[in-house]
Amino acid sequence: NAGVTQTPKFRILKIGQSMTLQCTQDMNHNYMYWYRQDPGMGLKLIYYSVGAGITDKGEVPNGYNVSRSTTEDFPLRLELAAPSQTSVYFCASRSKDSRHYEQYFGPGTRLTVT
Amino acid sequence: QQQVKQSPQSLIVQKGGISIINCAYENTAFDYFPWYQQFPGKGPALLIAIRPDVSEKKEGRFTISFNKSAKQFSLHIMDSQPGDSATYFCAGGYNFNKFYFGSGTKLNVKP
Repeated sequence: NAGVTQTPKFRILKIGQSMTLQCTQDMNHNYMYWYRQDPGMGLKLIYYSVGAGITDKGEVPNGYNVSRSTTEDFPLRLELAAPSQTSVYFCASRSKDSRHYEQYFGPGTRLTVT
Repeated sequence: QQQVKQSPQSLIVQKGGISIINCAYENTAFDYFPWYQQFPGKGPALLIAIRPDVSEKKEGRFTISFNKSAKQFSLHIMDSQPGDSATYFCAGGYNFNKFYFGSGTKLNVKP
């Protein structure tokens, strides 16, 4: 199993550009999450999904959109990129049956908006 | 408002010593308190977690102490090793999906 994979690893965007961060998991997990991690800060939840076709906002959803058309994929869309979106983005997933709510994280995407 | 406050921001410990990281939370609805370990360039990985109905949980050299009345919990790393050098995050969560993370503690264990 590859676990949770994210692409790209790095990206530089100009202000106003758009892009999609890809996230795929091969563990057949129902729940998937997107977090952002700013320097010296903890992770903040952007969006999450409890299954295909179902998504909900987290703590910091403004400026982002998500979709969940399959169990495996949970892309994060940035529209009209702003410098405030410079961050490291982590995708995570977990099993609905996990006793410990353990989330498995991908390696992250480092995004810079200039 | 930060829902989970973590301290210290950084910590230096000698090999074999005890590392202690503290967290405090506000939301009494939290029913799950995990600790994550993150190495540079990697995503966080679950280290140990506790529910509020127990006061302590131990897994190997890692122990969580939980004080429900004070709304505080802490991670103790016994016999700290250089391989433990990483950033540690505490978190509080409820409703299966809403997790709030602390700001992280960068631990450096000196050989």
